[in-house]
Amino acid sequence: AQKITQTQPGMFVQEKEAVTLDCTYDTSDPSYGLFWYKQPSSGEMIFLIYQGSYDQQNATEGRYSLNFQKARKSANLVISASQLGDSAMYFCATRRPGAGSYQLTFGKGTKLSVIP
Amino acid sequence: DTAVSQTPKYLVTQMGNDKSIKCEQNLGHDTMYWYKQDSKKFLKIMFSYNNKELIINETVPNRFSPKSPDKAHLNLHINSLELGDSAVYFCASSQDFLRGPHEQYFGPGTRLTVT
Repeated sequence: AQKITQTQPGMFVQEKEAVTLDCTYDTSDPSYGLFWYKQPSSGEMIFLIYQGSYDQQNATEGRYSLNFQKARKSANLVISASQLGDSAMYFCATRRPGAGSYQLTFGKGTKLSVIP
Repeated sequence: DTAVSQTPKYLVTQMGNDKSIKCEQNLGHDTMYWYKQDSKKFLKIMFSYNNKELIINETVPNRFSPKSPDKAHLNLHINSLELGDSAVYFCASSQDFLRGPHEQYFGPGTRLTVT
C-alpha cells in the first residue's frame, strides 16, 4: 500500500520569500513517481512538478523545485519568491501502477497563505 | 480549448435520486479517472479506465458506476444518492506510456450536494 504524509495543515509565508512544503511517502514499489498539485480557491487541480524515483537530479519547474531525498522517503516542494497567487492548497501524491493505469494516492494537503 | 471538461459544475439533488456527471478529454489520452474530494479536501481515487480495463477502488459503493462510450469520455452515474455522497468529483486523464511521468490532468470538478 502507498501512503503520503503532509504534516503541515497550514503554512504562512511572506511575499517574495521561499517556502518549503513537506511530503513523506511510504511505498513498496521499486519504481514510483511523486507529484505535486496546486488547488487554488477556485477549485481546479493544477499539476506543478514531477519526480521519478530513478531520476538522478531534483526536478525543477520555474519557481518550483522538488527536494527529493530517496533514503529519507521525502519529496518536499520548494517555492521560491512567493507570490500572492501562490496562496492555495498543495497536494503531494504518488502513483501506483495498476493494470494499464496509474492511480494517484494523495496526501491531505497543506494550505499555503502568502502574506503581502 | 479546455483539456478536460466536466458537466455540470454544480449539482444539487435530493436523496434517493439518480444522477450522472459527464467528463470529456480532448488530449488524446488513454486513461481516465474519477476522484472524490471530501469536505476536508481529501482526494481519493474511485475508478480508473483505460479502454481495456476498469479498475474499481474496492471502497466505492456499487451505486457508483463509470460508463465510457469512447476513449475521450468517462461518465459517472450514481444511483440512490445519499447525503454522504456530497463532495466534489474530479475527472482526470493521463497518457500511459511505458515510461514518463504520466501526470494527470484534472477537470474543473463537479460539486455535488445531496439534500
